[in-house]
Amino acid sequence: AQKVTQAQTEISVVEKEDVTLDCVYETRDTTYYLFWYKQPPSGELVFLIRRNSFDEQNEISGRYSWNFQKSTSSFNFTITASQVVDSAVYFCALRSVTGANSKLTFGKGITLSVRP
Amino acid sequence: KAGVTQTPRYLIKTRGQQVTLSCSPISGHRSVSWYQQTPGQGLQFLFEYFSETQRNKGNFPGRFSGRQFSNSRSEMNVSTLELGDSALYLCASSYFSGIYVDEQYFGPGTRLTVT
Repeated sequence: AQKVTQAQTEISVVEKEDVTLDCVYETRDTTYYLFWYKQPPSGELVFLIRRNSFDEQNEISGRYSWNFQKSTSSFNFTITASQVVDSAVYFCALRSVTGANSKLTFGKGITLSVRP
Repeated sequence: KAGVTQTPRYLIKTRGQQVTLSCSPISGHRSVSWYQQTPGQGLQFLFEYFSETQRNKGNFPGRFSGRQFSNSRSEMNVSTLELGDSALYLCASSYFSGIYVDEQYFGPGTRLTVT
């Protein structure tokens, strides 16, 4: 079985602070995909990034960056210069390519509050 | 392109009743997945459909069922509702290339309350 752990449950920062959301995963599969989703108060999950297990290159998209480290089974997400609009619940998810694990397994989510 | 749409957005049902939720995927997307979200259990996978066939199923009782139509639209049904079925039900669609895992795009959800 696969598992995603987001140990941080709630994080509160002041606007313009940098914040890192941690994600640790467990899987026995060699080919898998990792995702981050954002769920604002409106409730709809918004796709942020997908990364496959063979691509450990870090990615930056504007104020967002992701650090994938296979050696520690982690896929952390950093928001630089946070803004109030970043307030949401952030989910990390894992999915293998085939078999019983070819379904999205989500972590419990991290509630991020950005105060003005 | 229009996003994933789900109907109805809100629903109140009584224990023992059954309910059908509907999902229309993004145009061109061939795979539809369903998830249940509750404060206690978080986001849990229900099932995934592709080409009208169920590809994968989560650990839910047989009261939960689904189907997909030839136009990729999907419905899920919950029979004999229990109080614990109160949740946000999310539908997600993806292209499904068959080569790699595509990202899923989620709808706004149906908020089901069982009384």
